[in-house]
Amino acid sequence: DGGITQSPKYLFRKEGQNVTLSCEQNLNHDAMYWYRQDPGQGLRLIYYSHIVNDFQKGDIAEGYSVSREKKESFPLTVTSAQKNPTAFYLCASSFGSSGAFSNQPQHFGDGTRLSIL
Amino acid sequence: DAKTTQPNSMESNEEEPVHLPCNHSTISGTDYIHWYRQLPSQGPEYVIHGLTSNVNNRMASLAIAEDRKSSTLILHRATLRDAAVYYCILRDVDAGNNRKLIWGLGTSLAVNP
Repeated sequence: DGGITQSPKYLFRKEGQNVTLSCEQNLNHDAMYWYRQDPGQGLRLIYYSHIVNDFQKGDIAEGYSVSREKKESFPLTVTSAQKNPTAFYLCASSFGSSGAFSNQPQHFGDGTRLSIL
Repeated sequence: DAKTTQPNSMESNEEEPVHLPCNHSTISGTDYIHWYRQLPSQGPEYVIHGLTSNVNNRMASLAIAEDRKSSTLILHRATLRDAAVYYCILRDVDAGNNRKLIWGLGTSLAVNP
C-alpha cells in the first residue's frame, strides 16, 4: 500500500544534541512538508519542498534543517539551536504539479513525538 | 492572512447527522476550502475540498455558501470513529508569494453512543 512513513514514533533528545526525524513516501508525490504541532494548537509549517534539491523555509524554520536529495525522502533535523523542541512533528506530501500547496490534498504520516531528556 | 473561524467544540449523538460550520469571510476568489480531521495522536486525514459547488465523497459532504464566505462540513451519520478535531483550512500567500495552508485550532467533535 502506498503511504507516508515517519520514524521513529517517539524520540528523546539530550541537551546540545541534534536529532533527525525520518519521512519517506511511496506515493510519487512531488511536494513534501514538515509541520510542528503543540498541545491545543494548529499545525505550524517548518519547511517544505516542491521538488528534489529545493526547499523553502516555512513560518518557524529557526533551529531546524532539511534536505531533499531524493523524491521519496525529506528528513528533518532538529538542531541544538532549537530551544523548545518538545512537540509532535508531522510530515506530509502531495502532488504538486503547480508547486507546493496546490489544491491537491496533503497526505500525512502518523507523526514523531519528540521530548527532551 | 486567509483565516477561518470554527467553534471550539461540538457534540453529536451516534448515527445522527453532524453539521460543522466554518466562516472564511476573507477568502479569495480562486482558493479552495479544505477540510481535514485529526484523531488523537495521529496525523491529519484529508476529508474533502471544494471551490464553489457543493461536493460529496464517501466520507462527507461540503456545502459552500453562494458568497463563499462560509461552508459546512456534513457527516451524514456520525459514528464513534468520527470523534476527532476537524480543521477548515484555506491557502494564503506569504511575502515571498509562496502559497501555504493556514491551520487554525479546529472544532473538536465528540460523538455520544
